[in-house]
Amino acid sequence: EAAVTQSPRNKVAVTGGKVTLSCNQTNNHNNMYWYRQDTGHGLRLIHYSYGAGSTEKGDIPDGYKASRPSQENFSLILELATPSQTSVYFCASGDAVDANSDYTFGSGTRLLVI
Amino acid sequence: GQQVQQSPSSLVLQEGENAELQCNFSSTATQLQWFYQSPGGSLVSLLSNPSGTKHTGRLTSTTVTKERRSSLHISSSQTTDSGTYLCAIDRDNYAQGLTFGLGTRVSVFP
Repeated sequence: EAAVTQSPRNKVAVTGGKVTLSCNQTNNHNNMYWYRQDTGHGLRLIHYSYGAGSTEKGDIPDGYKASRPSQENFSLILELATPSQTSVYFCASGDAVDANSDYTFGSGTRLLVI
Repeated sequence: GQQVQQSPSSLVLQEGENAELQCNFSSTATQLQWFYQSPGGSLVSLLSNPSGTKHTGRLTSTTVTKERRSSLHISSSQTTDSGTYLCAIDRDNYAQGLTFGLGTRVSVFP
């Protein structure tokens, strides 16, 4: 069954440390996305990718980097984590199917930066 | 950028009642999606409905593109329908991701 798998599910990091969130998809979708979800702000797009080797800035990219080494894998990197990056992070893959878009989300990673 | 407004912000139903959720967006969208998010859980795509009316199970979505609004009707609600319903539109094109509303939290009691 096609899916999007995120790891880790939960992470505690120290301020100033490096954090890498990983995402793997078996949907064979070209596009992948990283969102964060916060109360009062909803889901906001951090970075996205059109395919292997591509990374693009979303609406809130500051403090984050992304890497897409292959069709299946898309990572989100926090080089110097800050408490304001405490959030729930969702990875998604997507592609156009006829006139509609097909999106699949991962289960999320809860990140606490202390 | 794109903006998505959802109403109401929350809704309480008794099992068996119907509900109508609203989504208004700031500019013409080529893609419009409704998602369900269980409490503390991930998002599941319910319907992709950029225009017209679509049905799936007890859900009906109607989108009037020129009026920049979409609705999601839940018929004969069940306790398992409890959760948050999110409306989202494409940012500029489908490949650039989605802009989400804040959602409608639905609570269904027996």
